[in-house]
Amino acid sequence: SAVISQKPSRDICQRGTSLTIQCQVDSQVTMMFWYRQQPGQSLTLIATANQGSEATYESGFVIDKFPISRPNLTFSTLTVSNMSPEDSSIYLCSVSGLAGGTDTQYFGPGTRLTVL
Amino acid sequence: QKEVEQNSGPLSVPEGAIASLNCTYSDRGSQSFFWYRQYSGKSPELIMSIYSNGDKEDGRFTAQLNKASQYVSLLIRDSQPSDSATYLCAVRGSSASKIIFGSGTRLSIRP
Repeated sequence: SAVISQKPSRDICQRGTSLTIQCQVDSQVTMMFWYRQQPGQSLTLIATANQGSEATYESGFVIDKFPISRPNLTFSTLTVSNMSPEDSSIYLCSVSGLAGGTDTQYFGPGTRLTVL
Repeated sequence: QKEVEQNSGPLSVPEGAIASLNCTYSDRGSQSFFWYRQYSGKSPELIMSIYSNGDKEDGRFTAQLNKASQYVSLLIRDSQPSDSATYLCAVRGSSASKIIFGSGTRLSIRP
C-alpha cells in the first residue's frame, strides 16, 4: 500500500473564504481521487484528479467551486471555494494504481472542515 | 436501483458470534470487489479484495463472491468489540476506472 498524507488535518473557516487541501503520496500512483463525506453519510466522489490535465468532475460538482490540481504523480490539491456551512465535511484523498500493485484504492487520513 | 447496495444497519451481533455483511451490485460486468472498514472519525481502510467467485479467507475475515447472483458478502468470525465500525462494500465496474461505494453497514458488537 501507499502512505498518503493530507494537510491540513482539520480547519475551521469563515463563510466566503477558500481552503486548499493538499494530498501527498510516498510513491507514484496512476489515479488520484477526491471524496467528500458528510456526517453520518457515505463517500461521495467529487472528482478524479488527472495528471497534467483538467480534473474529471462528478455530477453536481463544478470546477469553479472545487478547483483541483495534479502537477505530478504523487501530489494533488483540492480547493473548496467561497465556502458556506454546507461545505462542512470530511474531504478524503484516495489513490490507486500503485506501481506493481493491484487496482485497490487507498485513502488518506482526511481533512475535517468546519465552515462557520 | 443503486449501483452498490448495502443494508445500512445497525447490525448488532454478540461478541464471539459470526457477523455477516451483504452487498449487491448492478453492473454484471464488474470484476473487482472490495470491503473497507471505517471507524468513526477515521478514513476507510481496506480489509479484503476479491476477484473470483468463491471464498477468500484472511484471518477472521472471509469474503464471498457470487457473480451470477451479483452478490458479495463479508463474514467476520469470533466477532470482537473492536470490529464495531461501518463496513463499506465497493465495486469496480466493467468500464470504470473508479470504484463505486455502497452506503455502508454499521456493525455493533455487543459484549
